[in-house]
Amino acid sequence: AQSVSQHNHHVILSEAASLELGCNYSYGGTVNLFWYVQYPGQHLQLLLKYFSGDPLVKGIKGFEAEFIKSKFSFNLRKPSVQWSDTAEYFCAGLFKAAGNKLTFGGGTRVLVKP
Amino acid sequence: GAVVSQHPSWVICKSGTSVKIECRSLDFQATTMFWYRQFPKQSLMLMATSNEGSKATYEQGVEKDKFLINHASLTLSTLTVTSAHPEDSSFYICSTSGRENEQFFGPGTRLTVL
Repeated sequence: AQSVSQHNHHVILSEAASLELGCNYSYGGTVNLFWYVQYPGQHLQLLLKYFSGDPLVKGIKGFEAEFIKSKFSFNLRKPSVQWSDTAEYFCAGLFKAAGNKLTFGGGTRVLVKP
Repeated sequence: GAVVSQHPSWVICKSGTSVKIECRSLDFQATTMFWYRQFPKQSLMLMATSNEGSKATYEQGVEKDKFLINHASLTLSTLTVTSAHPEDSSFYICSTSGRENEQFFGPGTRLTVL
């Protein structure tokens, strides 16, 4: 069955540090990939998405992600985080075999210390 | 992206009562909506896919008689938790599917069953 996994459950870092969150998926066919963010007390918002083309995707708020097909990965990066990036981050995949249903990773809780 | 609202944002009820949660797509005609459940510090688990004008499709392990879904119009889907029990306490989130299959999420409804 298709799955999405996120390696880190919790990440704590200081402002201006670089952030990289791992995301791997398990599926051999066509996949669309997403990163969502959930700020404290708010609903999920789309950070970025990959469907095809350039594997380096730029999203909102300075985030980017790179799709590496050979590694089945879609890691999220930000060169310099801010306190306001404190949130929970979810990687999700849309697998062709599953129609239009999203499969979420377990989420990574990021705490940025001021 | 699409704007999705949910009502109520939180509800407290007694065990055995039924609770209805509304999900509205405010600026987008949604033939398909999704209902998720999110336990504290966990990821989103898809409960069911709500299809306008037809029966919902439930995920494995989700009791369709307990979680009644009605999608009577292109802008409204409802989830009714029937005979709620404390173990049904959770955060319920709906989403709509956009043109490129990305999903737009509502703010969620926190249900507490006493």
